Amino acid sequence: QVQLVESGGGLVQPGGSLRLSCAGSGFTFSDYYMSWIRQAPGKALEWISYIRSSGDIMYYADSVRGRFTISRDNARNSVFLQMNSLRAEDTAVYYCARGGPRELTCFDLWGQGTLVTVSS
Amino acid sequence: EIVMTQSPATLSVSPGERATLSCRASQSISNKVAWYQQRPGQAPRLLISGASTRATGIPARFSGSGSGTEFTLTISSLQSEDFALYYCQQYNHWYTFGQGTKLEIK
Repeated sequence: QVQLVESGGGLVQPGGSLRLSCAGSGFTFSDYYMSWIRQAPGKALEWISYIRSSGDIMYYADSVRGRFTISRDNARNSVFLQMNSLRAEDTAVYYCARGGPRELTCFDLWGQGTLVTVSS
Repeated sequence: EIVMTQSPATLSVSPGERATLSCRASQSISNKVAWYQQRPGQAPRLLISGASTRATGIPARFSGSGSGTEFTLTISSLQSEDFALYYCQQYNHWYTFGQGTKLEIK
């Protein structure tokens, strides 16, 4: 079964850290760029980061650059998002999504999402 | 940043009728547009890529058109499961999404 499953969300205080994980199955994970996309409550989708299939190139949206770090472990078919210095405005459902075999493609497979709440 | 503007924000249509959703890009993006459907409490699902190519398993009643800055998603005969939120997204220069169109039952 082709799927992505996120984990690691939860409640964290402002300034705190959290690490999200996303496990892929049913496809050759190492062939694909992977992204993290978030959706604040009642808001639109916001792309925040991607990582190249080989793991050597990463890009970030301005809203998270310098605070979030994306990484992957192709041997474990997983992608991660380390989130530091969290702010209230980072509260959202975080989705991992599969891109294509090259950059700048759309997202054809999404996980179910994991909720991150930043609050004291 | 390329801004994607969707209209209308809410569209009320009766089952069996046609729905037309619009998306405008702030600059030309060729055909690098995707459309997604999001039902309440669910993740987005890819419907259309490359402005007009249906994703695997998407019914033929969904069609996309446009190029440059103007794009359209058409649902030819609305089924009950089609009433949801729809997003357009550009992937010509990084990635940005529109604000969404809520398709509701009239």
